[in-house]
Amino acid sequence: GAGVSQTPSNKVTEKGKYVELRCDPISGHTALYWYRQSLGQGPEFLIYFQGTGAADDSGLPNDRFFAVRPEGSVSTLKIQRTERGDSAVYLCASSLTALAPSTDTQYFGPGTRLTVL
Amino acid sequence: QQQVKQSPQSLIVQKGGIPIINCAYENTAFDYFPWYQQFPGKGPALLIAIRPDVSEKKEGRFTISFNKSAKQFSLHIMDSQPGDSATYFCAARATGTASKLTFGTGTRLQVTL
Repeated sequence: GAGVSQTPSNKVTEKGKYVELRCDPISGHTALYWYRQSLGQGPEFLIYFQGTGAADDSGLPNDRFFAVRPEGSVSTLKIQRTERGDSAVYLCASSLTALAPSTDTQYFGPGTRLTVL
Repeated sequence: QQQVKQSPQSLIVQKGGIPIINCAYENTAFDYFPWYQQFPGKGPALLIAIRPDVSEKKEGRFTISFNKSAKQFSLHIMDSQPGDSATYFCAARATGTASKLTFGTGTRLQVTL
């Protein structure tokens, strides 16, 4: 079946602009995660949704970052007033559920490479 | 604050060799330790995972060794192949953190012919 998909694959924007990054999880997966991966680093957790609600947004670096998942499937990560330091690969992952350890393997998408000029 | 320390940063082995990647952690609440493999331009993919109630787990050519008292775990790749050339990340998840993974900094492995 289809894996996690993310669009766009690449996004180049100018400092101060607003961007939206989209994630389509695996069908039927109720848990969705956003991570950010800087060059040469491991992914860093941003936010996690169980269904439509953000269960943990402790990784969002500041209030310029916001994510939604209105219907419990597709999610959008929104970044306002982008800064050069926001440049990174933004990864989305989904799992069947995060409520049972045996079914919470996280499957990652290919990521969106964001470049802020 | 880096909660999972990974070494080495890079590793070159010949085909058939056994690369070993090490990770150490401090947070005793961690109860799940997966390893992910990432190829350029792709997202990380789960390779193998272990829970602290066992000291070793094998899946095919991949083995995790886990030392709970030392708070260390390692990945061994038996009979490594050029196709194993990728970046490997260890990770950990704490009880009650709803699957939030904390990743190491990654090890870039190159397997030469």
